[in-house]
Amino acid sequence: DVKVTQSSRYLVKRTGEKVFLECVQDMDHENMFWYRQDPGLGLRLIYFSYDVKMKEKGDIPEGYSVSREKKERFSLILESASTNQTSMYLCASTPALGRYEQYFGPGTRLTVT
Amino acid sequence: GENVEQHPSTLSVQEGDSAVIKCTYSDSASNYFPWYKQELGKRPQLIIDIRSNVGEKKDQRIAVTLNKTAKHFSLHITETQPEDSAVYFCGSSGTYKYIFGTGTRLKVLA
Repeated sequence: DVKVTQSSRYLVKRTGEKVFLECVQDMDHENMFWYRQDPGLGLRLIYFSYDVKMKEKGDIPEGYSVSREKKERFSLILESASTNQTSMYLCASTPALGRYEQYFGPGTRLTVT
Repeated sequence: GENVEQHPSTLSVQEGDSAVIKCTYSDSASNYFPWYKQELGKRPQLIIDIRSNVGEKKDQRIAVTLNKTAKHFSLHITETQPEDSAVYFCGSSGTYKYIFGTGTRLKVLA
């Protein structure tokens, strides 16, 4: 079974802090994704990566950056956390782009105060 | 830009009845349409998917239908049970990008 793990289930940070969310998958998947999930808005893509050190902006990249130094690990960085970044963050991976199931991590609920 | 519209946003049905959730997509290049179920506090998990060369797919009590001409697809759950209560997301994917609907909260009333 594919396993996607995220570094924290719950996180509370202060406005202006730099925040790191980490995602690890154990199935040698090429592609990894970061989404945020908000009530009524569904899943919105922040960034994705199709290879080590490669990244592409999603629909809402402002205020975020990502890092993928190793194939199994994809990090989401909030350079200066703001209250409007309070959300559920979900990581996902897939073996190839397009016509394949996405495997999701358990999510990190981030609260910025 | 590309989007996926999903309706209804909430749906309540009596146990044993059927539930139908509908999605419409805009990108003509989309060729993969998954449905995910997310129980409270858990991660989304794929329950069924369909590719563009197929019009219908069934797996026990769930089925998905696709109308490529009209650009819409639907999830059908028959003989609903309390454990079907969850949020359901539809998705579409073409070359590389996955786009998800805004979700439907299904409540199955015992």
